[in-house]
Amino acid sequence: RKEVEQDPGPFNVPEGATVAFNCTYSNSASQSFFWYRQDCRKEPKLLMSVYSSGNEDGRFTAQLNRASQYISLLIRDSKLSDSATYLCVVFPYGGATNKLIFGTGTLLAVQP
Amino acid sequence: EAQVTQNPRYLITVTGKKLTVTCSQNMNHEYMSWYRQDPGLGLRQIYYSMNVEVTDKGDVPEGYKVSRKEKRNFPLILESPSPNQTSLYFCASSLIRTGDSPLHFGNGTRLTVT
Repeated sequence: RKEVEQDPGPFNVPEGATVAFNCTYSNSASQSFFWYRQDCRKEPKLLMSVYSSGNEDGRFTAQLNRASQYISLLIRDSKLSDSATYLCVVFPYGGATNKLIFGTGTLLAVQP
Repeated sequence: EAQVTQNPRYLITVTGKKLTVTCSQNMNHEYMSWYRQDPGLGLRQIYYSMNVEVTDKGDVPEGYKVSRKEKRNFPLILESPSPNQTSLYFCASSLIRTGDSPLHFGNGTRLTVT
């Protein structure tokens, strides 16, 4: 089993739709969780951190389910500019180790 | 402007010809790392450095070397490139505890080895 697994998609949705991605992780000791966004042929950029209580940033909502070991990203009112690959990133251990585990990404295509 | 700068953006070379990809950051970050990205495999860590003169292997270090003589620079060296090193490479930096702070990526180097 991969340490971090994502549905690769593509998710094809119309503008204005709500779309949700899940990401599962295998290490129950994982401490920190993030969503990164990567545009085609560009570098990944941090979209948002994922907190235990769930967090929201505008149209984006991230949630963590420790019992089932998954994180989710919800995008409301999708825009064309949201088209990108969304990478789930897990930091497995607390402390000074520096090994982030990246999922392979979920491709979102928002259609006009 | 805070940034991570990689060069070159594109590189085509032949098997066995030594090459260096440069990476420089201006944010005074202690932690730097190299990744390669391949279809279906995601981002895989090659090497990382937690400070000057401190480097460690990541998940796929074979065929690569790095050095960290100065805080801002972290070059990736391929002594004898092979076709299986054809990939998209990213350099990244962050404050030392990446569990607490985001990675800042360079804009990538697309390497083709023939």
